[in-house]
Amino acid sequence: GQNIDQPTEMTATEGAIVQINCTYQTSGFNGLFWYQQHAGEAPTFLSYNVLDGLEEKGRFSSFLSRSKGYSYLLLKELQMKDSASYLCAVRGVPNSGNTPLVFGKGTRLSVIA
Amino acid sequence: DSGVTQTPKHLITATGQRVTLRCSPRSGDLSVYWYQQSLDQGLQFLIQYYNGEERAKGNILERFSAQQFPDLHSELNLSSLELGDSALYFCASSVMVAGETQYFGPGTRLLVL
Repeated sequence: GQNIDQPTEMTATEGAIVQINCTYQTSGFNGLFWYQQHAGEAPTFLSYNVLDGLEEKGRFSSFLSRSKGYSYLLLKELQMKDSASYLCAVRGVPNSGNTPLVFGKGTRLSVIA
Repeated sequence: DSGVTQTPKHLITATGQRVTLRCSPRSGDLSVYWYQQSLDQGLQFLIQYYNGEERAKGNILERFSAQQFPDLHSELNLSSLELGDSALYFCASSVMVAGETQYFGPGTRLLVL
């Protein structure tokens, strides 16, 4: 089976840095995605990690440790528009019949002034 | 704009009824995925089609069915609707079959009264 854990909610201040953690236990691992989802809208792709280490993309960075089953998303210079849910998703082994992508329940981030 | 389109945007219907949700993938994408997202719930994978064939099945109820047509658009049919089926239904698409980056449509918000 697959289990993905993220904090339910976080609050951070505009201009600050926030780290959103994700831990997973899966029967097979083939990469980890982060998506951003504003309330009532579609999830949008942020990042993809398949190897250990840090991937940086502008204000957003994502880190992966496969041995620890752990990832985090780092958001710098927070803006009010970053208030959204952040979804961690694990890509399983691409065998026919397997769920291609398993999503965590998401972390709702509130950015306050 | 992800390039994935979904219709209708909103749907209000009564218990016991049947509805059809439609999705057109991004140009060139062969895989279509359907997800259900209830209030305060994570994205629940329902089903995947790849180039017209069912590829993976998640937590899809027997009252629900889907298909992908030769032009690669997909339809999700929900029948004998219950109050608990009220949710956001997202379609996503990707280029290939193996769970690479999925791009989400804007969703259909279904309300069953």
